[in-house]
Amino acid sequence: DQQVKQNSPSLSVQEGRISILNCDYTNSMFDYFLWYKKYPAEGPTFLISISSIKDKNEDGRFTVFLNKSAKHLSLHIVPSQPGDSAVYFCAASEVGTSYGKLTFGQGTILTVHP
Amino acid sequence: GAGVSQSPRYKVAKRGQDVALRCDPISGHVSLFWYQQALGQGPEFLTYFQNEAQLDKSGLPSDRFFAERPEGSVSTLKIQRTQQEDSAVYLCASSLVAALGNQPQHFGDGTRLSIL
Repeated sequence: DQQVKQNSPSLSVQEGRISILNCDYTNSMFDYFLWYKKYPAEGPTFLISISSIKDKNEDGRFTVFLNKSAKHLSLHIVPSQPGDSAVYFCAASEVGTSYGKLTFGQGTILTVHP
Repeated sequence: GAGVSQSPRYKVAKRGQDVALRCDPISGHVSLFWYQQALGQGPEFLTYFQNEAQLDKSGLPSDRFFAERPEGSVSTLKIQRTQQEDSAVYLCASSLVAALGNQPQHFGDGTRLSIL
């Protein structure tokens, strides 16, 4: 039972354009959502997060949108840069779990072409 | 360094051998997590420590897996009688405050375990 799903295994974008990565979840108890970026042979690096009380959070070129009714979140990267090429993981944690155990999606490989 | 440190980076073992994987969390971080990442998948939760207390081990796949954090800092994940299906990257993460659950976890680079 995959509670967090990233249905696009890969995404290819031209440098300077917008990258949109999507994530769907099934557990309505999730209340905190995060995006991580991962380069080969390195651990995931935290990018941006959003609480369920918000519908948008922005940090520089990165914006995360949350649609609770649709159980959907997305990460927008504007403008995309070649250094953004990596695997992006969506993750979620559940209300009542006082320590933030994360459930991850399968990841989306983003390639930004110069 | 200031980040989460894991050792060894790579470990090759024969089926049936015992292995021990080490994690040095960020200094002062209360929460420590272990995850297992199979090839082409996202990380999956194994176990959680708050200081030295192991509060959740629901993700450990079998009783061959054992984790400890005796002094509330360094943690060790031990796998006994390894099997080929144990081959994966084992990730350790730490976070500062456990109470509210809305703190980002900071990950180490992982240990890639290969069982022959």
